[in-house]
Amino acid sequence: DTEVTQTPKHLVMGMTNKKSLKCEQHMGHRAMYWYKQKAKKPPELMFVYSYEKLSINESVPSRFSPECPNSSLLNLHLHALQPEDSALYLCASSPHLAGGDSGELFFGEGSRLTVL
Amino acid sequence: DQQVKQNSPSLSVQEGRISILNCDYTNSMFDYFLWYKKYPAEGPTFLISISSIKDKNEDGRFTVFLNKSAKHLSLHIVPSQPGDSAVYFCAATGGATNKLIFGTGTLLAVQP
Repeated sequence: DTEVTQTPKHLVMGMTNKKSLKCEQHMGHRAMYWYKQKAKKPPELMFVYSYEKLSINESVPSRFSPECPNSSLLNLHLHALQPEDSALYLCASSPHLAGGDSGELFFGEGSRLTVL
Repeated sequence: DQQVKQNSPSLSVQEGRISILNCDYTNSMFDYFLWYKKYPAEGPTFLISISSIKDKNEDGRFTVFLNKSAKHLSLHIVPSQPGDSAVYFCAATGGATNKLIFGTGTLLAVQP
C-alpha cells in the first residue's frame, strides 16, 4: 500500500461549525504533514508530526488543531474557521523527517474545504 | 521571502518537442531539489529529484540539471506528451528544519 488517503474529499462548513479532516497511511512512515494550498499558490506547510509528536507548527491559528492518534493517522480539527481558510488541505507522509530516499514526501489527493 | 522561485507561470510546447522548466533558489543549505507534478483536484506527485552533490539526474524522459553556482535547476522533458500537461512544482529541502519548500509552479501545456 503506497497511498496516503484523505477524507473527506470535499467539505463545506459554516463559520460556527466543528469538523475534522482525516489522513491515513499504511507505509510505516513516521513523519506526517499538513499543507494548505490556495488557488494558484504553492502548498504551504502547516504542521509536521514525527513519531506521533508535533515537531513543527508554522504559526498556524489555533482554529486549526492537529492530532496524531497513532503512527498511521493524522487529523486536522477545524473550528470557527473564516472564509479565507477555504483551500485544498494536503496531507503527506515520509519515512522520517528527512523525507524518502530522495527527500520526497508522499501526498494524498487533498480535502477541498469551503468555509461559508 | 520566497526561497524557491519559478519565474514562468506557464509554458506551452508542441507534442514531441522538449519542455524545459526552470527554478531558482536562494538558500545554499538545501540538500535535495525535487520536482512534483500536480493535476487539478489531486495532490502533488513526486517526479524526480537531485541531490545537491550532483549536477544531473535522469529518469526516462525526465532529466533534472542543477547549477549550484547559479542556484538554478531545470527539468527537461523529452519528448513531451499531452499527458504531461499539468502544474509542475519545484521544491527544495534541507537546512536547519528540513522543511520541503515549494516554488510557485509552472503550468505546462503540451499541444497535440
